[in-house]
Amino acid sequence: KAGVTQTPRYLIKTRGQQVTLSCSPISGHRSVSWYQQTPGQGLQFLFEYFSETQRNKGNFPGRFSGRQFSNSRSEMNVSTLELGDSALYLCASSSDRGRGTEAFFGQGTRLTVV
Amino acid sequence: GNSVTQMEGPVTLSEEAFLTINCTYTATGYPSLFWYVQYPGEGLQLLLKATKADDKGSNKGFEATYRKETTSFHLEKGSVQVSDSAVYFCALTSGGSGNTGKLIFGQGTTLQVKP
Repeated sequence: KAGVTQTPRYLIKTRGQQVTLSCSPISGHRSVSWYQQTPGQGLQFLFEYFSETQRNKGNFPGRFSGRQFSNSRSEMNVSTLELGDSALYLCASSSDRGRGTEAFFGQGTRLTVV
Repeated sequence: GNSVTQMEGPVTLSEEAFLTINCTYTATGYPSLFWYVQYPGEGLQLLLKATKADDKGSNKGFEATYRKETTSFHLEKGSVQVSDSAVYFCALTSGGSGNTGKLIFGQGTTLQVKP
């Protein structure tokens, strides 16, 4: 069974540009969540999509957005990049079978904003 | 709001030493509690979990007990190995349907085990 796949693995962008990250969940998983990991702030929840609808949202500005397609694949977009957006972005998928459902993480996309 | 607090790292131990990483939480209702581990250059992997008070999660020699009275979920291992060197994250999802995909993480604790 293939794991969660994130592409690309590494990305370098210039301040002011926009970027799109992709996540392919484990087959059959309908929930996809996104997290930002930085040395200073740790792991912070961005948003979760379930069956193409945003179900939960963290405290990030509107420059961060996402979507989910009918095959459960998800994309995350960041517009008008800032230096502080440099981070490891992790995607996780789950089967959402109630309390204690395990989230499976991808290896992440390392975004560097210069 | 919900939050998780972990002991500050790094934690440096000799092989075969006893490990404890403290974790306390603040949450309304009845959260589910998790420990995730991140090895260098990789994503997170679930280590163990507990979904109700007094449950004990265990895996690979690691254990943690869900203590509602002290709002804690401390991670323990009786004898660590060099291969246990990694970053450990305590996390929760709040109770109720529709929240299983929103993990709230602690800051992470780096464990280094020396031969």
